[in-house]
Formats: sequence, C-alpha cells, structure tokens
Amino acid sequence: GNSVTQMEGPVTLSEEAFLTINCTYTATGYPSLFWYVQYPGEGLQLLLKATKADDKGSNKGFEATYRKETTSFHLEKGSVQVSDSAVYFCALYSSASKIIFGSGTRLSIRP
Amino acid sequence: NAGVMQNPRHLVRRRGQEARLRCSPMKGHSHVYWYRQLPEEGLKFMVYLQKENIIDESGMPKERFSAEFPKEGPSILRIQQVVRGDSAAYFCASSPFASGSLNTGELFFGEGSRLTVL
Repeated sequence: GNSVTQMEGPVTLSEEAFLTINCTYTATGYPSLFWYVQYPGEGLQLLLKATKADDKGSNKGFEATYRKETTSFHLEKGSVQVSDSAVYFCALYSSASKIIFGSGTRLSIRP
Repeated sequence: NAGVMQNPRHLVRRRGQEARLRCSPMKGHSHVYWYRQLPEEGLKFMVYLQKENIIDESGMPKERFSAEFPKEGPSILRIQQVVRGDSAAYFCASSPFASGSLNTGELFFGEGSRLTVL
C-alpha cells in the first residue's frame, strides 16, 4: 500500500541555518505530494505541493522537488527563522486512496 | 469566508462516558475526513464521508466509534464508552472534490478537538 516515511525529529537549529527534512514515499501510480505545517495549538495548513515528477513546490521560502527516481520530496529552506518552529508533515495523495501523512517532524529554531 | 469549524475545541470526559465531536466543513465542501493525532505522533486517517454516506471507514476502530455527515448540519464523530487511550486530538478536514476525482487532493483542516479522558 501507499506510505510516507519522513525524518524523525525533533530537529533543532539556530536561526538562519539551512534546513532539510527528508521525506520518501511508496505509492502506486503517480501521486501528488504535499508538505503541511502545524503550528502549536492549531490544525494543519498546506505549505506547498507538487503534482508531477520534477515539479518544485515553494512557499514562504520553503521548497521541495518531486523526485520520482528516488521517490523523495525533501523539504528545504535556506535560512530558517524562529517563526518556522512547528511540526512538518509530508503527505501523498493518489486517486486510489485518501491523503496519507507521515509521522511528522518537530522543528525548533533557537534565536 | 469561514474555514473548517470544529467544536468543542477541548473536551474532558470520564471513562465510560460518550464524546461527540462536531465539524462544519468549509462552505461549498461536501467531503469530510476525520483524522486522529495521538500525543507526539502523526495523523492517522479514520473515516471519509460525503453527505449522508460513509465512503471509507477503514481507519475507524470497529467498536465504540461512529461517524455521520447528515444532509443538514455538521459531521459528527461519536465515541462511546471512552477509555484513556482515546485521549487525542481529532482533526476534521474538508475538500470540495471527491477522493478519486481529478484533483490534487488538498485538504483544509480545522483547528482540532482535543479529547482528554480522565
């Protein structure tokens, strides 16, 4: 079946550091891929998405590229801020299933 | 334009009581999903509903849990005879499109209902 595996947290970085959160997937067909973000006490919000191979999703300085050859969708940001502290979820959707989420990666940014 | 509304935001129940969680989807959305998030864990799919129909309940425990999405009114997730292990955040999400149709599958989430069982 379809599944998503993402980097375990927590991840702690200093402000302005480079961020990578790894995500790999297993799916039949050609899924759409997402990163959602959950700030403390809130629900999930869509951060970015990519719907086909080699697409790059980007938003708020975050980027992720849909790599079919490595079945990956790693999240990156060149310079993180304290306000980026949150839990980040990688997810996939294919026409054969509901949206499936990874286990989440908690990110903490030190001033 | 209101987003997905969930209530109550916080609910405390004693073991053996019933919990009812409500979700009003975004205007124009007729597809509702319920997810459970246990402390320090990811989101686990529970059930997918359209108006008056349960489409996929593969993630729902077979006993004590039920869900509905009536023609009028919010979707309701009902947990009977709650136990401590039911303590979690329950998130509702809605979509304007059907799972399986030509869309990207983006979901719009509510802020969650946090159930604590004493």
